[in-house]
Amino acid sequence: GQQLNQSPQSMFIQEGEDVSMNCTSSSIFNTWLWYKQDPGEGPVLLIALYKAGELTSNGRLTAQFGITRKDSFLNISASIPSDVGIYFCAGKPNTGNQFYFGTGTSLTVIP
Amino acid sequence: DVKVTQSSRYLVKRTGEKVFLECVQDMDHENMFWYRQDPGLGLRLIYFSYDVKMKEKGDIPEGYSVSREKKERFSLILESASTNQTSMYLCASRTPVEVTNYGYTFGSGTRLTVV
Repeated sequence: GQQLNQSPQSMFIQEGEDVSMNCTSSSIFNTWLWYKQDPGEGPVLLIALYKAGELTSNGRLTAQFGITRKDSFLNISASIPSDVGIYFCAGKPNTGNQFYFGTGTSLTVIP
Repeated sequence: DVKVTQSSRYLVKRTGEKVFLECVQDMDHENMFWYRQDPGLGLRLIYFSYDVKMKEKGDIPEGYSVSREKKERFSLILESASTNQTSMYLCASRTPVEVTNYGYTFGSGTRLTVV
């Protein structure tokens, strides 16, 4: 199945710093989803994007649907210790019902 | 609050045992999924179901089977557990893609260790 390229694989940042991560695909997608997975838990939906160019915020999190429709970006501003976890992107191509997941970005916030 | 519930958080099974992982959702979703999660490999789709008694193979179905006798319940079966099936298993349900604002809801996961 198709894999999404998600980067970076891991990040170690100081509390208060901003974070950026992205996800790219080889084909055009019509939906991008961003999830966060706390240690030992299942992923929880953070933000959903359904239109190219769309910019959506959820508190300190902002995600964008790239205008090429082959990428998406997630930014976290002013990170705090509870932001620790694995962030996953998921996307759906124009055809079919199948979603594909990125390999995740592991975020560590150092107090 | 909508929920996907996986029956066990941690399981330890012996090689060759038949293993059942249960998943129940209370959102009346037609679509349900089983993924396994391994470090560096992300989420890989094992099986999915779009309706009762319906099942489709995902990307890595070998060694697994599923059962969907009722809409709310989707079971993953390891016919004869092997050590390479040690992993985190995640169940998810999803609204149909035709519905506005669709997305996956995941369970908390079952961490299976096969010894």
